[in-house]
Amino acid sequence: DVKVTQSSRYLVKRTGEKVFLECVQDMDHENMFWYRQDPGLGLRLIYFSYDVKMKEKGDIPEGYSVSREKKERFSLILESASTNQTSMYLCASSQPQDSRTQYFGPGTRLTVL
Amino acid sequence: SQQGEEDPQALSIQEGENATMNCSYKTSINNLQWYRQNSGRGLVHLILIRSNEREKHSGRLRVTLDTSKKSSSLLITASRAADTASYFCATDVGVTQGGSEKLVFGKGMKLTVNP
Repeated sequence: DVKVTQSSRYLVKRTGEKVFLECVQDMDHENMFWYRQDPGLGLRLIYFSYDVKMKEKGDIPEGYSVSREKKERFSLILESASTNQTSMYLCASSQPQDSRTQYFGPGTRLTVL
Repeated sequence: SQQGEEDPQALSIQEGENATMNCSYKTSINNLQWYRQNSGRGLVHLILIRSNEREKHSGRLRVTLDTSKKSSSLLITASRAADTASYFCATDVGVTQGGSEKLVFGKGMKLTVNP
C-alpha cells in the first residue's frame, strides 16, 4: 500500500516564524502535491512537483515555497507565517502512469498565533 | 475557481438506507473521482470513472457520469455508521508539463449515518 506521511499532525507557530512542513512517500511516485483545506473552501492546491527540483505553482502559492531535493520528500515552507495561514495542510502523491489517483497523507493542522 | 460542486452539502440518514451524493462540474473532463475523508484525516480514493464510462461499481459504491449534464452521482447502498465521513468529487483539469493530471476538488459534503 502507498504510504504518505507528514511530519506533524498538529503544529502551533507564532506569526513571523519560518515553518517547514515535511511530506514523505514510500512508493517512488513522481508527482507530489500540497493542498490546504479550509471550511467552506474545500481543498486548494498550493504547489505541486512532478520531478526532483521541479515544481509548479498551484492556485494559491502566495506566501508559500516548496522544496523537492529527493524524490520521496516534498517540503512546504512558510517563510513568515501569518494568522491567515492557519489551516489543515494535506500532502498527496501520484504516479504519472496512474496519475489519476492521488494518495494523501494524514494532514497537518497548523495554527499560527 | 471551483470545478466540482457536491450536492447536498450535508446528508443525515439511518444505517441501512442508501445515500446519494451529486457532483456538478463546469468544463470538459477526462475523468472524475470520488474521495472520502474521515474527520481530521487525509482523503482516501474511492472510485474513478472515465469520461467515456456511464456507470461503475465497486462493492457498495455505484458511480454514474452524465457528461451531457456535466454531473456525477455517488450512491452508497446499505449504509453503515462507518460510512460517516465527508465525500469529495474531483475532476482532472488537464495534463501539466510533467504529465501529472491536476485534480480540482469540490468543497465536499458531509454524510452522517446514524446507527
